[in-house]
Amino acid sequence: KAGVTQTPRYLIKTRGQQVTLSCSPISGHRSVSWYQQTPGQGLQFLFEYFSETQRNKGNFPGRFSGRQFSNSRSEMNVSTLELGDSALYLCASSHGTGGTTNEKLFFGSGTQLSVL
Amino acid sequence: KQEVTQIPAALSVPEGENLVLNCSFTDSAIYNLQWFRQDPGKGLTSLLLIQSSQREQTSGRLNASLDKSSGRSTLYIAASQPGDSATYLCAVKGGATNKLIFGTGTLLAVQP
Repeated sequence: KAGVTQTPRYLIKTRGQQVTLSCSPISGHRSVSWYQQTPGQGLQFLFEYFSETQRNKGNFPGRFSGRQFSNSRSEMNVSTLELGDSALYLCASSHGTGGTTNEKLFFGSGTQLSVL
Repeated sequence: KQEVTQIPAALSVPEGENLVLNCSFTDSAIYNLQWFRQDPGKGLTSLLLIQSSQREQTSGRLNASLDKSSGRSTLYIAASQPGDSATYLCAVKGGATNKLIFGTGTLLAVQP
């Protein structure tokens, strides 16, 4: 069974640009969540999607957005990039059926975004 | 606001030693606590998940305990091996927000 796939693996952008990151969950998983990891702030929750609906979101500005498609694949978008957006962006998936409260998460390898 | 702290921040031990990693959280109203490991430049691998009604979980050489009332969890690694070298993170889920809040991590180095 294939794991969680995130593309691209590395990305270099300049300030003011926008970026779209992609996440394909494990087959059969319907819940996808996104996290930002930086040396200073550690791992922070961005948002969670289930069946194409955003179920929860973290404390990030509106420049950060996401969506989930009918096949459970998810994308996150960051507009008007700032230097501080440089981070490892991680996606995780879980079954999601009956709620995600006590489900193990399966993480992808992440997308390393560098903003110059 | 939930805060999760891990002590120590870094740990270096010789191969074969038993060790304990600590995680503390400020809000005891949690649904579960998970322990993850992260290898350099990689994503996270879930090691153990302890539901709020449970006291401990075991998987191979790993044992995690949870004391909700005191806001503490420990991850015990028996007979450590160089392959155990990684960053270990704990994360709690719960409260009104139901978000997953991660700890600061412990960087473990097991010397051969």
